[in-house]
Amino acid sequence: EAQVTQNPRYLITVTGKKLTVTCSQNMNHEYMSWYRQDPGLGLRQIYYSMNVEVTDKGDVPEGYKVSRKEKRNFPLILESPSPNQTSLYFCASLGPLPGQGIYGYTFGSGTRLTVV
Amino acid sequence: GENVEQHPSTLSVQEGDSAVIKCTYSDSASNYFPWYKQELGKGPQLIIDIRSNVGEKKDQRIAVTLNKTAKHFSLHITETQPEDSAVYFCAASGAGANNLFFGTGTRLTVIP
Repeated sequence: EAQVTQNPRYLITVTGKKLTVTCSQNMNHEYMSWYRQDPGLGLRQIYYSMNVEVTDKGDVPEGYKVSRKEKRNFPLILESPSPNQTSLYFCASLGPLPGQGIYGYTFGSGTRLTVV
Repeated sequence: GENVEQHPSTLSVQEGDSAVIKCTYSDSASNYFPWYKQELGKGPQLIIDIRSNVGEKKDQRIAVTLNKTAKHFSLHITETQPEDSAVYFCAASGAGANNLFFGTGTRLTVIP
């Protein structure tokens, strides 16, 4: 099944403790992205990657890092999480949607992060 | 950058009625307008999209219209069913569809 898989689904951590949210896609898409979703704000792009070793900032990159060492994986790193990073995070890849005949984003199921 | 506004924030309709969600955008260079459906506990799923060279697109009970002059686009769902209940997001971007700018979402409830 074509999908984007992110882990963990839920995470509670303390301020300052480094964490990584993993993301993997099996559709051979070149473009991948991270979004955060907050009530009343919709989804906002954090970082994106156009291909292996090519990453760039989105609209809200402060406090986040990413890496793209291989095409299928695009982890999101919070070096020193703070409470304002409490949010719902989505990884997504962009490309042909298998079996649907259209081109667009496929999103993962989300990671709900709470920083206390 | 692009600014996408979406209305209403909540919408309740009786089963079988139609639902309409409207979005406006600010950047006249935007030319790709997808709509996403997000069910509880899941990521957004693309349900339909439209590009600026088309004024209307239909897929079964779902249709999207685009008015580039006025910079607004709308999602129309006919003969609504309980399984249409979800949060719907509109979005806009440039030609590459890379960086999507999302609206704030509409929670649609279809009452059986």
